[in-house]
Amino acid sequence: DTAVSQTPKYLVTQMGNDKSIKCEQNLGHDTMYWYKQDSKKFLKIMFSYNNKELIINETVPNRFSPKSPDKAHLNLHINSLELGDSAVYFCASSQITGEGEQETQYFGPGTRLLVL
Amino acid sequence: SQQGEEDPQALSIQEGENATMNCSYKTSINNLQWYRQNSGRGLVHLILIRSNEREKHSGRLRVTLDTSKKSSSLLITASRAADTASYFCAQGGSEKLVFGKGTKLTVNP
Repeated sequence: DTAVSQTPKYLVTQMGNDKSIKCEQNLGHDTMYWYKQDSKKFLKIMFSYNNKELIINETVPNRFSPKSPDKAHLNLHINSLELGDSAVYFCASSQITGEGEQETQYFGPGTRLLVL
Repeated sequence: SQQGEEDPQALSIQEGENATMNCSYKTSINNLQWYRQNSGRGLVHLILIRSNEREKHSGRLRVTLDTSKKSSSLLITASRAADTASYFCAQGGSEKLVFGKGTKLTVNP
């Protein structure tokens, strides 16, 4: 069984379009994340949700809107896509300890977004 | 920037040799984690070392942590072609992980 799954795996679209990426985890974790990995492999956190509540928003343009319908799902909607949005987007989940310590994160396979 | 750095950026070795990658970080941490990313895939967790630990082993992996120098190293012994991947360290804080830029390891058969 896949622990963290993302759809779609590939997304090719035109500038200006709106698209969504879906993520689901079956690990029972409370916390989910979206990361962006650029062409230089630099991995940067975008958002973090804990029990459906937004806890991290790393100065991401408001064209990006995450939505968490329940703690097992975290979707990412992107409006008015731009060329610079081309990247690989990874979803991840983890369980944060009672002391607030970050434990192991489990990553999805990634969504390769190409904006033309 | 809080981002850490791995060193070297790229490493090419022969099968059977050992590979050592270093990570320096800037902020205080609860733990330091290492991840592997095969080409075109997601990141896979390898090992976590807590701030009060100095060394940890897992199979052919050995991780050290020096909090006074804000540095960690990952040693892969007896490397295999299948170890070819990018390796990232990640600083574990209270809210998030901060990833380094990664070391691209190539193990030649």
